Amino acid sequence: SQQGEEDPQALSIQEGENATMNCSYKTSINNLQWYRQNSGRGLVHLILIRSNEREKHSGRLRVTLDTSKKSSSLLITASRAADTASYFCATDAKGAQKLVFGQGTRLTINP
Amino acid sequence: NAGVTQTPKFQVLKTGQSMTLQCAQDMNHEYMSWYRQDPGMGLRLIHYSVGAGITDQGEVPNGYNVSRSTTEDFPLRLLSAAPSQTSVYFCASGRGANEKLFFGSGTQLSVL
Repeated sequence: SQQGEEDPQALSIQEGENATMNCSYKTSINNLQWYRQNSGRGLVHLILIRSNEREKHSGRLRVTLDTSKKSSSLLITASRAADTASYFCATDAKGAQKLVFGQGTRLTINP
Repeated sequence: NAGVTQTPKFQVLKTGQSMTLQCAQDMNHEYMSWYRQDPGMGLRLIHYSVGAGITDQGEVPNGYNVSRSTTEDFPLRLLSAAPSQTSVYFCASGRGANEKLFFGSGTQLSVL
């Protein structure tokens, strides 16, 4: 079974609005990562947050991590049409050498 | 700097055929992995390697074989293709499993 579960499965918003996606996971982790996948393409790394960090920013992206609730959120501010993509969280459980992905959130930005 | 290169991009097989999906990286990454992506299932880990000569199983290893004779290459072998292996396959590499991964552009495989 997959480690991470994203919520919602699909999200449609207007350009300029903020988009928030959530990820829950099951076991203790070393870090949590977020990736973007444009249709028909490979995944692109967005941001990595370590288990001892609570918040991280990168441009219009803000990621939070709550290890007590085993959850993370990805916020994209001032969304653009180019942000239309699927977004995946991925975790590596402590003691494991493998990165496990969730099912993803499909984000659509309407012009 | 090509990054992670996967070949072929598309492949059609008949049930029972075997084939090898190629993956090469030029970033001197120790960690490499193979995922399959099915609609609604996200990415599932097939096999991974933490260095030349070292491989291990992921979530869905059955029907697949890997080897890692060099740092650069990590081929995935389908031993006897089945329709259930119809999927998009992605290879990824990184400095470690707890570091960011770089993905190839994928191989779309259909098994008839």
